[in-house]
Amino acid sequence: GQNIDQPTEMTATEGAIVQINCTYQTSGFNGLFWYQQHAGEAPTFLSYNVLDGLEEKGRFSSFLSRSKGYSYLLLKELQMKDSASYLCAVIWPKGGATNKLIFGTGTLLAVQP
Amino acid sequence: ETGVTQTPRHLVMGMTNKKSLKCEQHLGHNAMYWYKQSAKKPLELMFVYSLEERVENNSVPSRFSPECPNSSHLFLHLHTLQPEDSALYLCASSQGTGGGDTQYFGPGTRLTVL
Repeated sequence: GQNIDQPTEMTATEGAIVQINCTYQTSGFNGLFWYQQHAGEAPTFLSYNVLDGLEEKGRFSSFLSRSKGYSYLLLKELQMKDSASYLCAVIWPKGGATNKLIFGTGTLLAVQP
Repeated sequence: ETGVTQTPRHLVMGMTNKKSLKCEQHLGHNAMYWYKQSAKKPLELMFVYSLEERVENNSVPSRFSPECPNSSHLFLHLHTLQPEDSALYLCASSQGTGGGDTQYFGPGTRLTVL
């Protein structure tokens, strides 16, 4: 089976740095997405990693290690508006031309003053 | 309007009702998706359409019936639902179904089945 693991909840302080981890065990791998989802809203795209290493985009960075089945999302200079659920999703090459996104349960991040 | 839109945003229905969810994407994409998001569970893929052809049916009960009349519109027809079908139903679209094709989500329809 396919399995994606993330912590259920995390708490951090405004202005701090937080790292949200994601580990995966899947029978195939074509990349990994991170999405942010505020309560009652659509998931919005944050990052995409397909090769090992760190991708930096402003205050957000995402890291991937394919050999370890591991990714993390790093949020710097936390702001109150960063309070949201963060979803890790692995691109699973189902077969043919169709790839399937397999999601973790999401990590609910609460940023406190 | 831009992006992916969904209507209605909220829906309450009885188990004997028939209703439809609508999704529209304004991104010029060729692939569209239906997902189910239940509390404390991962997003579950239900259906995938590529160029208006259904390419994935993820073992979804027949009481959910998708329809894709063109590449910009996607419907989910609902009938004789169960209370456990109450969830947030999300629509998404992407340029294609390749590995690097980012999926863009709509705001979802919050469905409650009484």
